Amino acid sequence: GEDVEQSLFLSVREGDSSVINCTYTDSSSTYLYWYKQEPGAGLQLLTYIFSNMDMKQDQRLTVLLNKKDKHLSLRIADTQTGDSAIYFCAENPGGKLIFGQGTELSVKP
Amino acid sequence: GAGVSQSPRYKVTKRGQDVALRCDPISGHVSLYWYRQALGQGPEFLTYFNYEAQQDKSGLPNDRFSAERPEGSISTLTIQRTEQRDSAMYRCASSSEVGSYEQYFGPGTRLTVT
Repeated sequence: GEDVEQSLFLSVREGDSSVINCTYTDSSSTYLYWYKQEPGAGLQLLTYIFSNMDMKQDQRLTVLLNKKDKHLSLRIADTQTGDSAIYFCAENPGGKLIFGQGTELSVKP
Repeated sequence: GAGVSQSPRYKVTKRGQDVALRCDPISGHVSLYWYRQALGQGPEFLTYFNYEAQQDKSGLPNDRFSAERPEGSISTLTIQRTEQRDSAMYRCASSSEVGSYEQYFGPGTRLTVT
């Protein structure tokens, strides 16, 4: 089946690192994604990782993929108040995206 | 360039009425996707098109929901005989190539059925 699970909330202090975790079920997904949704705004594609990679780094963002355990994580270094948002993990079995419920990241100054 | 646009941005309708939601993808994008997002949830897949062909409609909840993309560009999602449970944010996304893995989302249409 297709299912994506995320923890619902994460609170960090400004300047700390944030780690958002996700588990997925579909092993056929070619890519796995992280989207960001700010209050009242649309979904912004943050980054994605090809399923045969273990890690992808993009400036302050690091994505780690453990394909054996079907576990994906997003690390945000030096978290800023502007990073406060809901972060969605998604898998892509056959074109469509299957999203998790989203993790609300709260950054305290 | 312009992103994905959707209209209307907000729609309030009475139960039993039909509604049509429009999506205008990024110019030249060949694939178009519809999702529905309830409050506090992640987006849920409804259907998608490659060019004008509907490839997968497995996410449409029932036969009151339909979508078309007759010329392979603009798409319309139609909900007939709306019910209160249809209230949600309806999101459209497009991607540049068939099988492209980058989907870019529009701002959404907030549908409220009273």
